[in-house]
Amino acid sequence: KQEVTQIPAALSVPEGENLVLNCSFTDSAIYNLQWFRQDPGKGLTSLLLIQSSQREQTSGRLNASLDKSSGRSTLYIAASQPGDSATYLCAVRGYRGSTLGRLYFGRGTQLTVWP
Amino acid sequence: DAMVIQNPRYQVTQFGKPVTLSCSQTLNHNVMYWYQQKSSQAPKLLFHYYDKDFNNEADTPDNFQSRRPNTSFCFLDIRSPGLGDAAMYLCATSREAGGGSPLHFGNGTRLTVT
Repeated sequence: KQEVTQIPAALSVPEGENLVLNCSFTDSAIYNLQWFRQDPGKGLTSLLLIQSSQREQTSGRLNASLDKSSGRSTLYIAASQPGDSATYLCAVRGYRGSTLGRLYFGRGTQLTVWP
Repeated sequence: DAMVIQNPRYQVTQFGKPVTLSCSQTLNHNVMYWYQQKSSQAPKLLFHYYDKDFNNEADTPDNFQSRRPNTSFCFLDIRSPGLGDAAMYLCATSREAGGGSPLHFGNGTRLTVT
């Protein structure tokens, strides 16, 4: 069964810092990996989607990389701002057997950026 | 331009009183999912529909049921809510069950059980 782990669980930084959030997964048989943002009490907003054949995706100040063979992804946030404060979740989509089509989530990294 | 809409945003029910959460989509996607997310935990898949084909996760309690009367709507029924069922319930859609298509989530319904 696929297991997704995110570290750190929480991160508190001053505004302007560059950040790296980590995600690891146990089964490399995935279609893709998706990073989400979740504000308190709200649903999930998709940030970036990396297909299994891709190495990275960028959107504005966000850059996500994928190393499928080692089961790792990182989300890089450049020049962090207080508005970036949220929980960031990564999820992988299973490719085979009982994992087929299912999205498996980590618990998230709770980010606080203070002015 | 909300594409996955969940109603209500907040739902309060009494212990043991049946409750229904609803989800609608304007994306015409084939697949609809229901996830349960408890505080500080990862979202957990309860079940999903591929078109009208219902797929229940092995560890989803019998207390949880779902209906999909048409492509656009999907409902989550909790027959006898317990205090442990208090959570955020997230609906998501996807064009296909496999392949590289992303999941699109609604804003969720936060369920409180008193």
